[in-house]
Amino acid sequence: NAGVMQNPRHLVRRRGQEARLRCSPMKGHSHVYWYRQLPEEGLKFMVYLQKENIIDESGMPKERFSAEFPKEGPSILRIQQVVRGDSAAYFCASSSGAQETQYFGPGTRLLVL
Amino acid sequence: AQSVTQPDIHITVSEGASLELRCNYSYGATPYLFWYVQSPGQGLQLLLKYFSGDTLVQGIKGFEAEFKRSQSSFNLRKPSVHWSDAAEYFCAVTTDSWGKFQFGAGTQVVVTP
Repeated sequence: NAGVMQNPRHLVRRRGQEARLRCSPMKGHSHVYWYRQLPEEGLKFMVYLQKENIIDESGMPKERFSAEFPKEGPSILRIQQVVRGDSAAYFCASSSGAQETQYFGPGTRLLVL
Repeated sequence: AQSVTQPDIHITVSEGASLELRCNYSYGATPYLFWYVQSPGQGLQLLLKYFSGDTLVQGIKGFEAEFKRSQSSFNLRKPSVHWSDAAEYFCAVTTDSWGKFQFGAGTQVVVTP
């Protein structure tokens, strides 16, 4: 049973480009969470999704960031017009239920030049 | 305001010595408490969690943690560390029914021969 998968593991973008980060939850998990880890900091919650629904996006920046978890396929975190301050590690976690243990993926490390 | 504090940013411990990592929280309700470990370049692995019941919780890799309501603490311990325990450790807390985590800033553990 594969764990949470994220790709790409590393992503380099120039300012103004778009970044698309993918997360495939563990088999049987329908709850996905995205977190951002800035250098020297802990993880910060961004958004919680279930299939085709955004449940809580209170941690998402109001502009340029969006997330989806379609009926089929991975969850996508999309960052438009990236800026240097978006450079961070982005982690996805999944769970089988709202109060169940979250399992984390290896993260995508985004570098904006 | 709700907060999670890990007072120690960095701890150095000799192999074979005991280890204790501190975590304090400030929440109105009784929280769910977790400890995760992150090895360099990797995602987070769950060590243990506390929801209710026995306040001394056993986890993987020989770790345990004790919930002390009176002190609002959930400290992580290991009697004898191994070189492979060198990593960053995060305390996480949630009171939301669906598991929106708030993470501490992390404690970096270095193990010396």
